[in-house]
Amino acid sequence: EDQVTQSPEALRLQEGESSSLNCSYTVSGLRGLFWYRQDPGKGPEFLFTLYSAGEEKEKERLKATLTKKESFLHITAPKPEDSATYLCAVQAGNSGYSTLTFGKGTMLLVSP
Amino acid sequence: DGGITQSPKYLFRKEGQNVTLSCEQNLNHDAMYWYRQDPGQGLRLIYYSQIVNDFQKGDIAEGYSVSREKKESFPLTVTSAQKNPTAFYLCASSKVGAYGYTFGSGTRLTVV
Repeated sequence: EDQVTQSPEALRLQEGESSSLNCSYTVSGLRGLFWYRQDPGKGPEFLFTLYSAGEEKEKERLKATLTKKESFLHITAPKPEDSATYLCAVQAGNSGYSTLTFGKGTMLLVSP
Repeated sequence: DGGITQSPKYLFRKEGQNVTLSCEQNLNHDAMYWYRQDPGQGLRLIYYSQIVNDFQKGDIAEGYSVSREKKESFPLTVTSAQKNPTAFYLCASSKVGAYGYTFGSGTRLTVV
């Protein structure tokens, strides 16, 4: 069974204080790992897809990295508008069609 | 602009009543999904469909039903058999393969 564990559950940062969110996964043949941002009361917004260990992707203050067992979402010099819940999901690729399995998310609060 | 539209945004259900949540997409995506989100539980898959007139049960399909008569539409019915329907419901769509999902803005269902 595919499993995704995100840590910490919640993180509070001061504006400008860089940090990382962790996503550990167990999957039968990774087809893709996905990061989403979700604001309260809204649907998740797609951020990144990573396909293989060693891959990195960046968008503004966010950088996602991938190893064979986990992914990190690095947030550099965050601003209050980065406050949101960040979701990680994996898609297995060993057999036929598979859907995304999501972690429970990390709730990030950035204070001015 | 292409996207996914969920309606209504808020829905109230009386005990013993069936209600239907609407999901429409104009992204020309083949696959569509329904997730349920509860506090502290992450996203759980209810049903998904890869092609018109075909759909599969997800992890928590009991008490729910779907149809896929058109590529653009994937309505979800919450039946009276679903004993704890209060939750945030998210519809998503994607190309078939290792692609990220595009989510709608969600429907919050409350039992009164």
